[in-house]
Amino acid sequence: GEKVEQHESTLSVREGDSAVINCTYTDTASSYFPWYKQEAGKGLHFVIDIRSNVDRKQSQRLIVLLDKKAKRFSLHITATQPEDSAIYFCAASPNYNVLYFGSGTKLTVEP
Amino acid sequence: DMKVTQMPRYLIKRMGENVLLECGQDMSHETMYWYRQDPGLGLQLIYISYDVDSNSEGDIPKGYRVSRKKREHFSLILDSAKTNQTSVYFCASSQGKNAEQFFGPGTRLTVL
Repeated sequence: GEKVEQHESTLSVREGDSAVINCTYTDTASSYFPWYKQEAGKGLHFVIDIRSNVDRKQSQRLIVLLDKKAKRFSLHITATQPEDSAIYFCAASPNYNVLYFGSGTKLTVEP
Repeated sequence: DMKVTQMPRYLIKRMGENVLLECGQDMSHETMYWYRQDPGLGLQLIYISYDVDSNSEGDIPKGYRVSRKKREHFSLILDSAKTNQTSVYFCASSQGKNAEQFFGPGTRLTVL
């Protein structure tokens, strides 16, 4: 089955800097790649996604890049703010609605 | 008010006891999910339900079963709980193909 590897387990940046979280996947059939954010003690919250028909998507300060040849995708958070501090999960879907999650990246934005 | 609810939020059980985790959603979503989250492992899919009485196993179904008799409710049942089922369980729902999943707040289950 699909395996998603999330490369950074922790990431610390200064407020205003950019943060980049990288993920790789194994199944060439994967065509949908969402990102979720989890704040302490809460459930996951959708932040952005990208589908395999494009290689870049932006929503305000969030940019997602997809490199299908390398089976790699990444989340870029620009102009980081303290409220961006959370655990971020990447995921990939090779099948209808079935997501395979990475292990999470704990992002800390320091003032 | 788009919401996924989970009950109970915290539960302590002894090994061998039965466990019932309940999930509800008010969005009339067709698809519902049960995941467990363990440190360093992300979320793992236990079961997915595509609609009432239309359930499929996820990656780790062993030791679990589910029930969906109404579109808005999805239950996870552990018959004779084991200590390795201690985890945080999340329910989610979505509508359509590869759409945003809405997550509940989670249930922290401890099996002693």
